[in-house]
Amino acid sequence: DAKTTQPPSMDCAEGRAANLPCNHSTISGNEYVYWYRQIHSQGPQYIIHGLKNNETNEMASLIITEDRKSSTLILPHATLRDTAVYYCIAWRIQGAQKLVFGQGTRLTINP
Amino acid sequence: DGGITQSPKYLFRKEGQNVTLSCEQNLNHDAMYWYRQDPGQGLRLIYYSQIVNDFQKGDIAEGYSVSREKKESFPLTVTSAQKNPTAFYLCASSKIAGGPGEQFFGPGTRLTVL
Repeated sequence: DAKTTQPPSMDCAEGRAANLPCNHSTISGNEYVYWYRQIHSQGPQYIIHGLKNNETNEMASLIITEDRKSSTLILPHATLRDTAVYYCIAWRIQGAQKLVFGQGTRLTINP
Repeated sequence: DGGITQSPKYLFRKEGQNVTLSCEQNLNHDAMYWYRQDPGQGLRLIYYSQIVNDFQKGDIAEGYSVSREKKESFPLTVTSAQKNPTAFYLCASSKIAGGPGEQFFGPGTRLTVL
């Protein structure tokens, strides 16, 4: 599975859109991009995933560049409860049965 | 409500003792996983199971053992052979073994070995 790179930390004002970048320049054609988040001292929570099309659900939007080498997770109206570590993971169907969680991005939502 | 339960939330043990962490799911998921998380780090896979009575080692299986006698249960034993067992342990499950990586996580057990 491709390696992903994320900034270690970001800040965002409450009510604004939080845009979390992820670089996955070595991603292959059959690898999905998954996003999870982990609020302090809790288990990670699935947010969204995509292959090459942009995706949106009730929690967030995922924008994947045309060359698939990077993606952005967008939380449209961040709240204080969105403060968490966000993990971007590349995962290949039929590949290893594991998600490789890197260091993630620590997102702090400020009032 | 469907979900994954882990118990206890906090666990203290003396060095040299084996300890078993519980993980139960009522989601009817086929696959279950155990991860370990150290402070400030990501998750590392210990063991996973795609079907009852079968399991595979993850990246850091040494010093740990598991069983999968029932679909809904996947207990993890931390043995005395584990050199540094103090950590946050997370159990997860997913609907389809080999399918997309949407995993559901339990609340975790924080193990402290004194």
